[in-house]
Amino acid sequence: LAKTTQPISMDSYEGQEVNITCSHNNIATNDYITWYQQFPSQGPRFIIQGYKTKVTNEVASLFIPADRKSSTLSLPRVSLSDTAVYYCLVGSTGTASKLTFGTGTRLQVTL
Amino acid sequence: DGGITQSPKYLFRKEGQNVTLSCEQNLNHDAMYWYRQDPGQGLRLIYYSQIVNDFQKGDIAEGYSVSREKKESFPLTVTSAQKNPTAFYLCASSGGRTDTQYFGPGTRLTVL
Repeated sequence: LAKTTQPISMDSYEGQEVNITCSHNNIATNDYITWYQQFPSQGPRFIIQGYKTKVTNEVASLFIPADRKSSTLSLPRVSLSDTAVYYCLVGSTGTASKLTFGTGTRLQVTL
Repeated sequence: DGGITQSPKYLFRKEGQNVTLSCEQNLNHDAMYWYRQDPGQGLRLIYYSQIVNDFQKGDIAEGYSVSREKKESFPLTVTSAQKNPTAFYLCASSGGRTDTQYFGPGTRLTVL
């Protein structure tokens, strides 16, 4: 299963765009890239998932280069309520039990 | 969230007692999971079940037990054998083409 590496923490001001990059050099052909958001004392919340190129939904965009060895979660115009831990995971059907939720990236948004 | 419920939200246990945490899902997912999260840490897998009446140990199964008698339900029992049970417990289920996991709101267990 592909190991992922992401920054331990990031700081941003409210209203800025935040980009969190995750590296996954050993990603397999069938693997998808999934990002979760977790607030204190809550379960991780699914944000976005992609396989290649760019995916956008109402809360975020996910950029995946052609070699798929990294991915970037983009949060447009963050607010204080986006302060949370963000996890990047790589896996495919049948591998969910082998996923590793590391310590993620702790994003702190301030005024 | 979104189809996965956990109860209770907070649970207190005396040392030496077994306690059971509930997890129910209405997403029609085959697979379900239990994770433990300690302060400032990531999630660690306790047990998982790919199908009814079958389950497998995760990375930290000692002191825990599970059952999977129904597709919708995957209760976790924290036994007295678990030496440090105070933690935040998360249940998840997965399904679909990409086997994406969806999480419940969690149960915070405190041993008094």
